[in-house]
Amino acid sequence: SAVISQKPSRDICQRGTSLTIQCQVDSQVTMMFWYRQQPGQSLTLIATANQGSEATYESGFVIDKFPISRPNLTFSTLTVSNMSPEDSSIYLCSVEPPGRETQYFGPGTRLLVL
Amino acid sequence: GQSLEQPSEVTAVEGAIVQINCTYQTSGFYGLSWYQQHDGGAPTFLSYNGLDGLEETGRFSSFLSRSDSYGYLLLQELQMKDSASYFCAGGGYNNNDMRFGAGTRLTVKP
Repeated sequence: SAVISQKPSRDICQRGTSLTIQCQVDSQVTMMFWYRQQPGQSLTLIATANQGSEATYESGFVIDKFPISRPNLTFSTLTVSNMSPEDSSIYLCSVEPPGRETQYFGPGTRLLVL
Repeated sequence: GQSLEQPSEVTAVEGAIVQINCTYQTSGFYGLSWYQQHDGGAPTFLSYNGLDGLEETGRFSSFLSRSDSYGYLLLQELQMKDSASYFCAGGGYNNNDMRFGAGTRLTVKP
């Protein structure tokens, strides 16, 4: 398994500002994913962030709004830019260790935009 | 793209057996995963079916039939702690293009 930590665990932000969420893994992994989850709802994939390549964004998500960095095999950041109340959600990172057909999720970042 | 459908809610009593079904429509489907998520927690992996048939892990089993585009999660000897949301998820190769179902909220009653 992989142990994943996220910072911050929660935040309250003003509209128009930006927040950068950090995801740290205790082992080297190529594949890392960022999801969004509204309370009581399912998970929606924002983007796939593989080390050594540009992040791949899903339909409805764009790099200008959700820039992602993946500087090495154990770390990634997701920035939520120019926030609005509609961005209030839980943001989760996950990783897929090599040879494993499963994803391990971080504890999530609970974001409230006022 | 992929879409997965599962029941929104299921209720059962302690000690019982419950089956949560998942039907999917996909392109480039490689396997079906199941995740458990307690309120306020992160999703945790339960089971994966890359091939047709039954996978058993303790009290939990999962089944996949590619010809029917159907799978299920079977929970036996239910315990109160099994009350949670359960998600089926389908992915492409290397879990690219992973899609999650809407989730099934399981309530276990005494």
